[in-house]
Amino acid sequence: EVQVVESGGDLVQPGGSLRLSCVVSRFTFSIYWMSWVRQTPGRGLEWVGNISPDGGEKFYVDSVKGRFTISRDNARNSVYLQMNSLRAEDTAVYYCATDGGYLNHWGQGTLVTVSS
Amino acid sequence: DIVMTQSPDSLAVSLGERATINCKSSQSVLYSSNNKNYLAWYQQKPRQPPRLLIYWASTRESGVPDRFSGSGSGTDFALTISSLQAEDVAVYYCKQYYYPPHTFGQGTKLEI
Repeated sequence: EVQVVESGGDLVQPGGSLRLSCVVSRFTFSIYWMSWVRQTPGRGLEWVGNISPDGGEKFYVDSVKGRFTISRDNARNSVYLQMNSLRAEDTAVYYCATDGGYLNHWGQGTLVTVSS
Repeated sequence: DIVMTQSPDSLAVSLGERATINCKSSQSVLYSSNNKNYLAWYQQKPRQPPRLLIYWASTRESGVPDRFSGSGSGTDFALTISSLQAEDVAVYYCKQYYYPPHTFGQGTKLEI
């Protein structure tokens, strides 16, 4: 069974930075796109962005462009979300998911709280 | 960006009855070259991550009960649960993956 495990969520002050990690096991990681999705009580599910198998293509939702960066390390079966200039509205549970267009394997999520 | 709008926002259905959730996209998500609709449905139960139910608008994910079915094409889609079970209480989301940014509907809360 495929396992997806996110980590790195924390309480951070506005303007601060945080790096989330996601490790995928029992899966042919290196040939799949990977996505990050976030969820807040008020805004439901929001697709944050994704990254191609070789890391050469990345797409983001407008609200995080220029602040968030997705990267991956295929040798470690891992994908990362570097979040800079964090705002209160970035507070959410962040999920990592395997991306075949549709998102078929999800982690349990990691909570990011942006507050002073 | 493609806007996904679900209806209704919430729905109460009796056990054993049919439930239908609608999803409308602001532009077509049908890719003409392969005749596929880039539309998926997800189920989310409390304190759990979303679970993929349906992709390509009508293909059931492995392990999903056959009471779940997806239909529609272009801009109008539906998720139908043919005979509601207690374990189907959840929030359901549609999502387009036609082009980025991929976008979700606002969710439909299904209750008994």
